[in-house]
Amino acid sequence: GNSVTQMEGPVTLSEEAFLTINCTYTATGYPSLFWYVQYPGEGLQLLLKATKADDKGSNKGFEATYRKETTSFHLEKGSVQVSDSAVYFCALDGGSYIPTFGRGTSLIVHP
Amino acid sequence: NAGVTQTPKFQVLKTGQSMTLQCAQDMNHEYMSWYRQDPGMGLRLIHYSVGAGITDQGEVPNGYNVSRSTTEDFPLRLLSAAPSQTSVYFCASRDSSTNEKLFFGSGTQLSVL
Repeated sequence: GNSVTQMEGPVTLSEEAFLTINCTYTATGYPSLFWYVQYPGEGLQLLLKATKADDKGSNKGFEATYRKETTSFHLEKGSVQVSDSAVYFCALDGGSYIPTFGRGTSLIVHP
Repeated sequence: NAGVTQTPKFQVLKTGQSMTLQCAQDMNHEYMSWYRQDPGMGLRLIHYSVGAGITDQGEVPNGYNVSRSTTEDFPLRLLSAAPSQTSVYFCASRDSSTNEKLFFGSGTQLSVL
């Protein structure tokens, strides 16, 4: 079956540091890949997505590239802000109605 | 555009009580689902529906019932609450296309004493 593995958190960074959150997946076929973000006290919202190999999704300074050869979709940002503190979820959509989520990675950014 | 609306935002129950968590969406989405979020466990799917009159079980369905009489509404029922059901519950919906994003409600924080 499909699965998504994310690095465990929390990830703690100082403001303006470089961020990487690793995500790898197992799926049959050619899934679509997503990153969702959950700010404190809120529901998840889509951050970015990629639907085919070598696509790069980007939004709000975050980027992730769909790497089929390494089955990865790592999230990166060049300079994090305190306002980026949140929980980040990697997810895949393998062609059924039900997406598969990773367990989430908490990011804490200090001033 | 309201999106996905969940009520209530907070609820405290005693063991054995029943209640219904409400979820409504105004985007004409076919797919709706309920998740629970617990520390260290990520999101776990409880039940889902691919259209009015159609429901199915997810990963953790025990203790929960659902129905889908309209496209807009997808209530989650706890028939006899247990402390193990203390959690944050999220409703989510999306268009039937599998490449489209999920829209989440803002959550219901439930405590069962």
